[in-house]
Amino acid sequence: GQNIDQPTEMTATEGAIVQINCTYQTSGFNGLFWYQQHAGEAPTFLSYNVLDGLEEKGRFSSFLSRSKGYSYLLLKELQMKDSASYLCAFLSGDYKLSFGAGTTVTVRA
Amino acid sequence: IAGITQAPTSQILAAGRRMTLRCTQDMRHNAMYWYRQDLGLGLRLIHYSNTAGTTGKGEVPDGYSVSRANTDDFPLTLASAVPSQTSVYFCASSDAGEPDTQYFGPGTRLTVL
Repeated sequence: GQNIDQPTEMTATEGAIVQINCTYQTSGFNGLFWYQQHAGEAPTFLSYNVLDGLEEKGRFSSFLSRSKGYSYLLLKELQMKDSASYLCAFLSGDYKLSFGAGTTVTVRA
Repeated sequence: IAGITQAPTSQILAAGRRMTLRCTQDMRHNAMYWYRQDLGLGLRLIHYSNTAGTTGKGEVPDGYSVSRANTDDFPLTLASAVPSQTSVYFCASSDAGEPDTQYFGPGTRLTVL
């Protein structure tokens, strides 16, 4: 079967760092995506990992360990505009995206 | 402006009525997708199309149908709406190349009463 888990909510202070963990189980794997979704808006692409390791893109970094079925999204120097839902999704063996329920991050002043 | 458009933005529908949600993309992407998003469940794939003329079933296809007559358009039809189809519907598209990044439309908020 296929399963993907991430925390429901996280709260952090402006300027801080937050790490959103994601674990998944799948029989076939073609990559791990992170999307950002502001309330009432469409998801937008943040990052893609297909090999183990860390991918850094400005204030956002994403890590993947395929052997552990584990990924995290690291948000540094948090800004108020980073308050959003962050969706973890893996690309299955048949190239379909399976999404987690999302982690709502609230950034406080 | 390149991207994906969806119509309508929102709709209230009586149960039993037929409804078509429209989706158009101008990026010449081969693949298109329909998802529904419900609180606590995340995005779930309803139907997809890898290329014009072909469609496939996703995780939750019952009660929905799609067609892909050309590259740009991918309408989703609810033949006889039921209250459990109340949801936010997102259309997405992707190029066949790596890394299959999907780009999402603005969504349609549908309420079935």
